[in-house]
Amino acid sequence: SQQGEEDPQALSIQEGENATMNCSYKTSINNLQWYRQNSGRGLVHLILIRSNEREKHSGRLRVTLDTSKKSSSLLITASRAADTASYFCATVGNTPLVFGKGTRLSVIA
Amino acid sequence: DGGITQSPKYLFRKEGQNVTLSCEQNLNHDAMYWYRQDPGQGLRLIYYSQIVNDFQKGDIAEGYSVSREKKESFPLTVTSAQKNPTAFYLCASSMVPLEGAGELFFGEGSRLTVL
Repeated sequence: SQQGEEDPQALSIQEGENATMNCSYKTSINNLQWYRQNSGRGLVHLILIRSNEREKHSGRLRVTLDTSKKSSSLLITASRAADTASYFCATVGNTPLVFGKGTRLSVIA
Repeated sequence: DGGITQSPKYLFRKEGQNVTLSCEQNLNHDAMYWYRQDPGQGLRLIYYSQIVNDFQKGDIAEGYSVSREKKESFPLTVTSAQKNPTAFYLCASSMVPLEGAGELFFGEGSRLTVL
């Protein structure tokens, strides 16, 4: 089954800096979604980008999608300590939503 | 408030015992899902259901069973046949079946530990 793979596995930045996470996948998709997970909690949906879209914004989040390269990126601008969490991409095609292993983001105050 | 409720939050089980994890949603969603998460790993799909009285196996269904007798409820039973059941289990629901999927709404998870 298709799977998103996030890169890097872990990222540590200072508060106020931007954080960029990447996701690659293997097969065609209908849409790609990004989720956030605080330690020991459930996942929370952040943003969905459809296969015919190239870029989408939501607050401090910017997501891009390049279907020719089968990749997506999530940019968090002006990061805050509260952004510390794991971030997962999930791809939606002809099978149920498949998640990658995530990027662990640490934002240091 | 609308949402997904999983219970119990923590569960301990002796080897050889079956346990059932509860998942209830009041979002009026058609589709419900069970995922397993191991430390430092992503989510792996166990079972999903797009409609009452119907469900499909995911990637790691062996040793698990589910039922979908009501739209609101999708309990997961971890049977003694599951060789390594210690994990964090997450239930989710969505408004449409996944082939046209919108976002998933997740519960807060159930952490199962086998003693």
